[in-house]
Amino acid sequence: DAGITQSPRYKITETGRQVTLMCHQTWSHSYMFWYRQDLGHGLRLIYYSAAADITDKGEVPDGYVVSRSKTENFPLTLESATRSQTSVYFCASSPDRSSYNEQFFGPGTRLTVL
Amino acid sequence: AQKITQTQPGMFVQEKEAVTLDCTYDTSDQSYGLFWYKQPSSGEMIFLIYQGSYDEQNATEGRYSLNFQKARKSANLVISASQLGDSAMYFCAMRENSGYSTLTFGKGTMLLVSP
Repeated sequence: DAGITQSPRYKITETGRQVTLMCHQTWSHSYMFWYRQDLGHGLRLIYYSAAADITDKGEVPDGYVVSRSKTENFPLTLESATRSQTSVYFCASSPDRSSYNEQFFGPGTRLTVL
Repeated sequence: AQKITQTQPGMFVQEKEAVTLDCTYDTSDQSYGLFWYKQPSSGEMIFLIYQGSYDEQNATEGRYSLNFQKARKSANLVISASQLGDSAMYFCAMRENSGYSTLTFGKGTMLLVSP
């Protein structure tokens, strides 16, 4: 299917486990982003990527790792999940860094860490 | 300092009435974009409308319009003729050309439309 997809859509895990959230886009957009959404905070940037093999930290990167070996994929890994990482995670993409371009969002992954 | 401020945690409006959702922003960039997204209870983020910093006219998209006042650094969303399906969380966001060039979001306004 065309667009931007995320998997899984829902995930329950335990403290200390490693979790990987997947993001895939079919537009060949250069830029990809990971946000987390928490009540009272809106969406906050975790990591972003300007192209394959180019990633950089956002506002709240601690406890997360990303990679981007292919343009279309941008997985987010929680190396040792903590309860504070319970959140809704959104992946987004954009064709370039222009301020005139919107970001296209995936459907989100709801992660619960017990 | 917050870059995007949405001062209304919740708003109520009756069906068919117009409603304005407030948004103020802070940036030193000359070139930037302002966006509004809608998030219904199903959770997805839906792009509504965009305003560029150099655009002289206010953006409009169907029942949505953006009241852009550059000197006041405000970008209020106006929804005309509200519908029950407009009940959702609304986020104002800004994308600057400097820095991460990502979106900075406000905390959102929950809009409830009553019959």
